[in-house]
Amino acid sequence: KQEVTQIPAALSVPEGENLVLNCSFTDSAIYNLQWFRQDPGKGLTSLLLIQSSQREQTSGRLNASLDKSSGRSTLYIAASQPGDSATYLCADGLTGGGNKLTFGTGTQLKVEL
Amino acid sequence: SQTIHQWPATLVQPVGSPLSLECTVEGTSNPNLYWYRQAAGRGLQLLFYSVGIGQISSEVPQNLSASRPQDRQFILSSKKLLLSDSGFYLCAWSVRTGVLNEKLFFGSGTQLSVL
Repeated sequence: KQEVTQIPAALSVPEGENLVLNCSFTDSAIYNLQWFRQDPGKGLTSLLLIQSSQREQTSGRLNASLDKSSGRSTLYIAASQPGDSATYLCADGLTGGGNKLTFGTGTQLKVEL
Repeated sequence: SQTIHQWPATLVQPVGSPLSLECTVEGTSNPNLYWYRQAAGRGLQLLFYSVGIGQISSEVPQNLSASRPQDRQFILSSKKLLLSDSGFYLCAWSVRTGVLNEKLFFGSGTQLSVL
């Protein structure tokens, strides 16, 4: 059974700081890994999707990397802003598992002025 | 463009009462549809998914059921709610293609409190 862990559970940083959120998974036979953002009381917004054949994906100030062999993915946020404050979740799908994702419990990020 | 609608946004129901949450998708055809539950302090748990009308797969045994009466409509139901059914329910869809790399798009969620 796939297990996805996100560390830290919560993070508070000053505005402008670069930061890294971590995601680890136990079964490396994944076909993709996705990063989502969730604002309080809201649904999830997809940020980046990395296919198993890729090493990283970039969108604006966000960069996600994937290392299947070590069972890790990181989400790098450059020059953080207060608007980045949210919970960030990673999720992966196992090969042969259809599009059924296993989610981590998320990292709650607060970017302070 | 595609949109997903989920309602109601919040719901307070007594134990033993029935439940019906509805989700509809616009701007796409033949999507995969999903119901997730997010309990406080826990990750999202997949409850049901559907690859077509009338085709429902259940991921966990529970007090809930799902139906897909139309291509872009997904309904989550219960005949008698339990306290443990409280949580944040999210509907999602993905494009059904020949490869397993569909991106998931989520609705805004329903906060259900069973009292």
